[in-house]
Amino acid sequence: AQTVTQSQPEMSVQEAETVTLSCTYDTSESDYYLFWYKQPPSRQMILVIRQEAYKQQNATENRFSVNFQKAAKSFSLKISDSQLGDAAMYFCAYRIYSGNTPLVFGKGTRLSVIA
Amino acid sequence: GAVVSQHPSWVICKSGTSVKIECRSLDFQATTMFWYRQFPKQSLMLMATSNEGSKATYEQGVEKDKFLINHASLTLSTLTVTSAHPEDSSFYICSAREGGYNEQFFGPGTRLTVL
Repeated sequence: AQTVTQSQPEMSVQEAETVTLSCTYDTSESDYYLFWYKQPPSRQMILVIRQEAYKQQNATENRFSVNFQKAAKSFSLKISDSQLGDAAMYFCAYRIYSGNTPLVFGKGTRLSVIA
Repeated sequence: GAVVSQHPSWVICKSGTSVKIECRSLDFQATTMFWYRQFPKQSLMLMATSNEGSKATYEQGVEKDKFLINHASLTLSTLTVTSAHPEDSSFYICSAREGGYNEQFFGPGTRLTVL
């Protein structure tokens, strides 16, 4: 069974600084997606970034980037120039590339941004 | 991105009554919908996966007779909590996807409180 592990229950970062959230996963599949979702206090799930496992290049979305290490099964999220609005729960998620398979979520990391 | 709506956003009911939560994909055809449950400060727990026109597939430990899921059309899925009890109080989130390769979009969630 696939599992996603987020080892940091809570993190904090100073405004304008950089923070990295960790995620590891376990799978025997070779084709899959990895995601980072943000859940602010409103509890609406927001997709932050997506990585296809077959792509070697790390995904980037503005201030958000990932460090995808397929062999190590690691998928960390780096947030640069942190803003107060980045404060939220962040969930790492995985799903098999094809079929009607659901997302498998990690337990989440609560990020606080200090002004 | 595509929009998924949920109704109601919150509901309070008496123990023993049934509650129906609707999930709609507003601008795409949701071939697959997922229902999640989230307890405070925890991750999303998958309850069931439903494909349009088929019976839902429930995760282990989720009572299918208690949590009735119907996915009768490509834009609507419903979750009915039957004979609700206080332990059913939780935040319920639906998610929808068009096809097996596409992004999964989340509804805003429904907070259920059973008195």
